[in-house]
Amino acid sequence: QKEVEQDPGPLSVPEGAIVSLNCTYSNSAFQYFMWYRQYSRKGPELLMYTYSSGNKEDGRFTAQVDKSSKYISLFIRDSQPSDSATYLCAMSGGSNYKLTFGKGTLLTVNP
Amino acid sequence: ETGVTQSPTHLIKTRGQQVTLRCSSQSGHNTVSWYQQALGQGPQFIFQYYREEENGRGNFPPRFSGLQFPNYSSELNVNALELDDSALYLCASSLPSGTYEQYFGPGTRLTVT
Repeated sequence: QKEVEQDPGPLSVPEGAIVSLNCTYSNSAFQYFMWYRQYSRKGPELLMYTYSSGNKEDGRFTAQVDKSSKYISLFIRDSQPSDSATYLCAMSGGSNYKLTFGKGTLLTVNP
Repeated sequence: ETGVTQSPTHLIKTRGQQVTLRCSSQSGHNTVSWYQQALGQGPQFIFQYYREEENGRGNFPPRFSGLQFPNYSSELNVNALELDDSALYLCASSLPSGTYEQYFGPGTRLTVT
């Protein structure tokens, strides 16, 4: 079993839709949870960063962490064509700050 | 504030050759991590450098080696290249406080033929 599982999609939605992206994990040591956005042939861009369980909101983006279920989510409200990208979940725990990534979900928002 | 930069952008090498990739960390960041991203996969941790010392290593063979310099810039060296080494190599830097927020450069795309 991989430490981090993420449905690779692809996911295609109309403009304005609410998008839900999810990851599950198996390592109980993970305490730091991140979402990155990666456009084609570019480096990942940090979108959201959450410590332990709870919710965090930033504009149209909301990150949720449920440590009891080992499940994290990213919600995108009022999705835009510019949101079309691959979304990667990443998590970490321990002293060397290694990030463990999911496979990424390819999202397309259609005008 | 300057972000993370990497060079070169693209590189084509032949199996068995050696390659050096370079990274300049974001201003004020003293920790640099390297990741390998194969096509259609998430990045895989190679190793991390903090104050010029290796501070953790992923499941990569010894032919993957690195350096960090006093100005916090870094190099990734790969010897005896194999076809499976073809990937996007990403460098990420983080703050001196040791947060888990890592900021990535644009990557170097390596093709091994």
